[in-house]
Amino acid sequence: NAGVTQTPKFQVLKTGQSMTLQCAQDMNHNSMYWYRQDPGMGLRLIYYSASEGTTDKGEVPNGYNVSRLNKREFSLRLESAAPSQTSVYFCASSVTVGSQADSQPQHFGDGTRLSIL
Amino acid sequence: QKEVEQNSGPLSVPEGAIASLNCTYSDRGSQSFFWYRQYSGKSPELIMFIYSNGDKEDGRFTAQLNKASQYVSLLIRDSQPSDSATYLCAVNTASSYYGNNRLAFGKGNQVVVIP
Repeated sequence: NAGVTQTPKFQVLKTGQSMTLQCAQDMNHNSMYWYRQDPGMGLRLIYYSASEGTTDKGEVPNGYNVSRLNKREFSLRLESAAPSQTSVYFCASSVTVGSQADSQPQHFGDGTRLSIL
Repeated sequence: QKEVEQNSGPLSVPEGAIASLNCTYSDRGSQSFFWYRQYSGKSPELIMFIYSNGDKEDGRFTAQLNKASQYVSLLIRDSQPSDSATYLCAVNTASSYYGNNRLAFGKGNQVVVIP
């Protein structure tokens, strides 16, 4: 079972470069999320997509854009990378159905370790 | 006040002992509570979820929820060296609208099991 797949696993960028982090899930989940994790800061939500065709800002959206390409794929783009965006990025997905919209756990990919010089 | 707080520093426990982790949350409307385990350099892995007040047991893990006091705890019985990891508390935010499933995470507690 692949679950949530993130690419690439590691990336080094120079300040000002752009790149897109890819995420795909094969669990037929309708909700997807992008987090960043920094030492001492925990997991912070960047953007999320409750369903195909919708995206919303999370706690730390500045400097990022997202695209929910289809139900399976949710990409995160850094248009002009900055050293402050050096972090580990996790994509996650979950089921959201019926009246128990808030009851389902999120499943995480393996992460992308991004360094910006 | 942060949405989810895990204030304890690193927790060292002897092998075979009980590890106890606590988490408090600010949103009284929260309904769903999760514990994730994260090994160093790895992604968070779900180990427990609880929705109702009281205790929920799964193998060596027990989650305890007290909505009136707004805390959730995790007990690890018969701790093993393989339990050495960071444990993240996550709470559903009641401000979510229908179809949303946004979680707020605590910063985590590191557990070290000493053989």
